[in-house]
Amino acid sequence: GAVVSQHPSWVICKSGTSVKIECRSLDFQATTMFWYRQFPKQSLMLMATSNEGSKATYEQGVEKDKFLINHASLTLSTLTVTSAHPEDSSFYICSAPNRQGGLNTEAFFGQGTRLTVV
Amino acid sequence: AQSVSQHNHHVILSEAASLELGCNYSYGGTVNLFWYVQYPGQHLQLLLKYFSGDPLVKGIKGFEAEFIKSKFSFNLRKPSVQWSDTAEYFCAVNTNAGKSTFGDGTTLTVKP
Repeated sequence: GAVVSQHPSWVICKSGTSVKIECRSLDFQATTMFWYRQFPKQSLMLMATSNEGSKATYEQGVEKDKFLINHASLTLSTLTVTSAHPEDSSFYICSAPNRQGGLNTEAFFGQGTRLTVV
Repeated sequence: AQSVSQHNHHVILSEAASLELGCNYSYGGTVNLFWYVQYPGQHLQLLLKYFSGDPLVKGIKGFEAEFIKSKFSFNLRKPSVQWSDTAEYFCAVNTNAGKSTFGDGTTLTVKP
């Protein structure tokens, strides 16, 4: 199957600094990627849709100025958490869809990035 | 908009017991359904998926799921659970653009 690589796997940063997370589709192209956040013992919640060559689409309640998304190429999307605070500590997961034929689309997930803000 | 409902929040079983986790979805488009497992502190792993065809889908680790269109359900089953199946289980529905909506998850605890 298709592979999505996310980097870093974990990061600890100081409050007020920014952190960049990369999501790469290794063996297929993705004009769209998705970013999710998962708090402890909770489900994955969609944060935003990353669109290659255009602005990201953010879900209601997600601050676009805080979570900067750049989809620079057909295989790379980045999420930058700006001016991070302890409440931003979470597990961030990206996915890239790959068509399996017809209208069938499977989302391939990265390994996730565990962000801890101290 | 699509939604997914998982009825069981926490299930506790003894080893060798049978498992069934409920999942109901709401989506008006082409249905792509998935079950994922997440072991403590780890990333999501795909257990099985349904696109079309045979409504009984077999996945990895002995899991299977049945798509019942009339009930909008995609329940996960395993005849005999093992201690190593202790994990969080998520049901998800995709749009044909690949956007995933997840259920709240079910925590499965298998007692040895």
